Amino acid sequence: DGGITQSPKYLFRKEGQNVTLSCEQNLNHDAMYWYRQDPGQGLRLIYYSQIVNDFQKGDIAEGYSVSREKKESFPLTVTSAQKNPTAFYLCASSIGMRAQYGYTFGSGTRLTVV
Amino acid sequence: RKEVEQDPGPFNVPEGATVAFNCTYSNSASQSFFWYRQDCRKEPKLLMSVYSSGNEDGRFTAQLNRASQYISLLIRDSKLSDSATYLCVVETGRRALTFGSGTRLQVQP
Repeated sequence: DGGITQSPKYLFRKEGQNVTLSCEQNLNHDAMYWYRQDPGQGLRLIYYSQIVNDFQKGDIAEGYSVSREKKESFPLTVTSAQKNPTAFYLCASSIGMRAQYGYTFGSGTRLTVV
Repeated sequence: RKEVEQDPGPFNVPEGATVAFNCTYSNSASQSFFWYRQDCRKEPKLLMSVYSSGNEDGRFTAQLNRASQYISLLIRDSKLSDSATYLCVVETGRRALTFGSGTRLQVQP
């Protein structure tokens, strides 16, 4: 079955560490996105990519980095510069560049700073 | 002003009730609108797209009012399983969707 796979499901980060969240899709979707969700709040856009080797900053890109070397993969690195990284991270993909058909989401990664 | 605004609720309704949620958006050029459902600690899932002519899927009806820039979701004959957070989602012209903060629904027996 086609879908989006995020790993790991839970991740614990020590202060000062960089960690990378994986997102892989086999839907042949062009565009991929990373959102962050804090408790009781909506989703906020971190980065998005509409084609391989190209990506754009979202509303809260500071402290994060991404790459899009393959159509199927869009990993997110949470760097030590991100001061409050504890959150639920969601990866999504869409068929068209304008997401006119909506998104398909992965099941998310819960990141906790210890 | 937020790009997409929703009443956070919670809406507490008895089983069988009809409940309606509204959502307003600020970009008059927005073209695509959706309602997503999110269960506690899970990813959002597409409930339905919202079309200019309105659309219905079983007990769920979505409507769009472009003149007033709001969309609505009506749930008839509420079930316990409808308890969730409902996210209003709008394409705001930058090729990524913007999410409202969500409206929490609790259906009670």
